[in-house]
Amino acid sequence: GQQVMQIPQYQHVQEGEDFTTYCNSSTTLSNIQWYKQRPGGHPVFLIQLVKSGEVKKQKRLTFQFGEAKKNSSLHITATQTTDVGTYFCAGSSNDYKLSFGAGTTVTVRA
Amino acid sequence: EPEVTQTPSHQVTQMGQEVILRCVPISNHLYFYWYRQILGQKVEFLVSFYNNEISEKSEIFDDQFSVERPDGSNFTLKIRSTKLEDSAMYFCASSEQGALWQPQHFGDGTRLSIL
Repeated sequence: GQQVMQIPQYQHVQEGEDFTTYCNSSTTLSNIQWYKQRPGGHPVFLIQLVKSGEVKKQKRLTFQFGEAKKNSSLHITATQTTDVGTYFCAGSSNDYKLSFGAGTTVTVRA
Repeated sequence: EPEVTQTPSHQVTQMGQEVILRCVPISNHLYFYWYRQILGQKVEFLVSFYNNEISEKSEIFDDQFSVERPDGSNFTLKIRSTKLEDSAMYFCASSEQGALWQPQHFGDGTRLSIL
């Protein structure tokens, strides 16, 4: 079945630095979504990418969907303490099922 | 902003007992989902539900599990004969349309502890 892999599992970042988390699928995706889960919270939708090569930005977050629609990345610039949490990518190859990656847990050193 | 609500927030049950986890999806949403997250692990898809029937289910969702929409607002997950390994956070989610085009809105989850 479809598998979505995400690296790194943990990211320790100095406040103000940039970092990137990567997501790879074993199959071609129809779309990919990114979610953020704060400690003790529930996943919260950030963004959806649908088109090959698509790039979307939300303030300091840049999301990219690969040309082959099998990989994606999230790049955060100038990390802040509010960025703490686990970032999940989730891919869909059909209408009804999202396969989540293992997540990248981000901690920030002030 | 409308939200998905789940009850109870925490359920403690003896092994072998049945539990029912309840969810009220966002009112104009048509697609409903259950996910499981074992402590410290990733979110795992269990089942999706549309038009009063299961659309898709994962290998985790075996005969021990069932879902139901008993009325116009509730969406339930029943786990029969619970096992220790069923201990996890269970999230309900809903979306206006299928996952292909719409984000899913998650509830706060029910933490299920099996003793």
